[in-house]
Amino acid sequence: KAGVTQTPRYLIKTRGQQVTLSCSPISGHRSVSWYQQTPGQGLQFLFEYFSETQRNKGNFPGRFSGRQFSNSRSEMNVSTLELGDSALYLCASSEQGEQFFGPGTRLTVL
Amino acid sequence: GDSVTQMEGPVTLSEEAFLTINCTYTATGYPSLFWYVQYPGEGLQLLLKATKADDKGSNKGFEATYRKETTSFHLEKGSVQVSDSAVYFCALSRPFQGAQKLVFGQGTRLTINP
Repeated sequence: KAGVTQTPRYLIKTRGQQVTLSCSPISGHRSVSWYQQTPGQGLQFLFEYFSETQRNKGNFPGRFSGRQFSNSRSEMNVSTLELGDSALYLCASSEQGEQFFGPGTRLTVL
Repeated sequence: GDSVTQMEGPVTLSEEAFLTINCTYTATGYPSLFWYVQYPGEGLQLLLKATKADDKGSNKGFEATYRKETTSFHLEKGSVQVSDSAVYFCALSRPFQGAQKLVFGQGTRLTINP
């Protein structure tokens, strides 16, 4: 089976812009979770989607949003980008337990 | 809330040395515990896991035992190799209404010198 894929792998944006990141889970996995990784805050949970519904949410402002499509692919959106949003964004898919991570999207906000 | 505290790095060892990376957790109930590894430029890979007290997870020579009495899940390896150089994350998960949310420690960067 193919692993979790994330696109794009690298992204450079400027403050105030918005960005959309994409995640394709492992075939058959219905759960997709998103995490933010920064040197200062480490790995933090953003949200989880299961069968197109948000099932769990972390403590991030409303500028961070996501959605999941009927084929389980997921997107996350960050509006009004701030310098502090620069991070590695990781997506993980799971089906009954173990989470499998993608390679991440490296977002740089200038 | 739930939290994980792991040994601060960086940790530098010589090849064939014994490795211990300490991890303790705070959580109600009986969380599942994990060690993930992140190689440069890559995402996280599950290294091992344990789902109940006294379980021992093991993989690729690494081991960790779920100790409920000390709320710990220390990672050990008897003889490290240069290829083990990576960042290691301890994590816990308490399924909530079926959801899987991982809470991670800060990570420990391990460098193995030949």
